[in-house]
Amino acid sequence: QKEVEQNSGPLSVPEGAIASLNCTYSDRGSQSFFWYRQYSGKSPELIMFIYSNGDKEDGRFTAQLNKASQYVSLLIRDSQPSDSATYLCAATPGGSYIPTFGRGTSLIVHP
Amino acid sequence: ETGVTQTPRHLVMGMTNKKSLKCEQHLGHNAMYWYKQSAKKPLELMFVYNFKEQTENNSVPSRFSPECPNSSHLFLHLHTLQPEDSALYLCASSPALAGEGKTQYFGPGTRLLVL
Repeated sequence: QKEVEQNSGPLSVPEGAIASLNCTYSDRGSQSFFWYRQYSGKSPELIMFIYSNGDKEDGRFTAQLNKASQYVSLLIRDSQPSDSATYLCAATPGGSYIPTFGRGTSLIVHP
Repeated sequence: ETGVTQTPRHLVMGMTNKKSLKCEQHLGHNAMYWYKQSAKKPLELMFVYNFKEQTENNSVPSRFSPECPNSSHLFLHLHTLQPEDSALYLCASSPALAGEGKTQYFGPGTRLLVL
């Protein structure tokens, strides 16, 4: 069973702080990793994807991938109340083209 | 707007009804997906189509029947559903099934309630 694990939270951070969201995956052969943001009652929205070890930055978001330790994280700098949402991590297992999703981590950014 | 639309956005149906969900993507993608999202559970993949051909049926009950007439349209036909089928049904598309084309874009979803 190929799994993607996330802490369901909620993770609560003050406005302006760095929010750190973590995700681990069980299939060592996983190649592609995605972070989605999902507001309550809405559909998932792609934020970042990462394929290579290391960091990938896009505006206030940084995705970090460590294949040796089998984890991927998402950092949100200068968190805003509008960042409050559930963040879904997904990984595509080796030999598959279908991503496996985690349950999501709820983030609350309070003023 | 992600370029993936779904209708209807909300649907209430009885267990003996027959209804269909529609998905359309305007992105020129070749792969389309149906997912089920229930409260407190991960996204559950239901079906995958690649160039109109079904490539994945994730052990979905036969009361759910997909149809993909072309690469831009995807339907989910529903009949004799159960209350536990109540969920958010999400359609997604991706450019391809391999490499960087695996990035999926989701539609707004259909919130289904089965009475």
